[in-house]
Amino acid sequence: DIVMTQSPDSLAVSLGERATINCKSSQSVLYNSNNKNYLAWYQQKPGQPPKLLIYWASTREYGVPDRFSGSGSGTDFTLTISSLQAEDVAVYYCQQFYSSPFTFGPGTKVQIK
Amino acid sequence: QVQLVESGGGLVQPGRSLRLSCATSGFTFSPYPMHWVRQAPGKGLEWVAVISYNGTSKFYQDSVRGRFSISRDNSQKILYLQMNSLRPEDTAVYFCARGRRDGYSRYYGLDVWGQGTTVTVSS
Repeated sequence: DIVMTQSPDSLAVSLGERATINCKSSQSVLYNSNNKNYLAWYQQKPGQPPKLLIYWASTREYGVPDRFSGSGSGTDFTLTISSLQAEDVAVYYCQQFYSSPFTFGPGTKVQIK
Repeated sequence: QVQLVESGGGLVQPGRSLRLSCATSGFTFSPYPMHWVRQAPGKGLEWVAVISYNGTSKFYQDSVRGRFSISRDNSQKILYLQMNSLRPEDTAVYFCARGRRDGYSRYYGLDVWGQGTTVTVSS
């Protein structure tokens, strides 16, 4: 199974500042046939189901604000919130779709400093 | 609007069975793969299972393989999760989620989620 890790476990960022979350997979999630990384990012607010933010490591889901961006390839990925807003307080998860079981990272909690 | 509504959760004794349902509306159900994801109290997300659009392909999390069975009824637009031999560690909120599959027949995201149904396994 592919093991997903995230860092940090939590972070506190001032409003308007940048938040950066890292995700690492135990093996590459890059599919060579189409050069796509099968890595998605989700946002989960308390009492709500997760919301898809990013897929293929860097493609923003329709309707997601452009302050959210994803980058990385192979085994190392980053979710960046360029200018943190109050409504971005949540737990963020990465998930790999390279091979079953489609494992999630443990989550990163983002708070306001 | 696109909607997924889970049901069937509850309190069950260890070793017993439960069947979860996910009723869908607002979209054409049959072309989409469907997933179950769970979240234990205060914990992170754990992917449980996926079923292909036509039900012919199914994959499971290691810890539930052989005990849980995912199925679907495309005529009724319902997803199911049959859970047998339940254990206390299966206690969680269970979400159904609509999946995406690309032109390479690979899954790549869960774009619509239900609100979840709570399963508690305890004597």
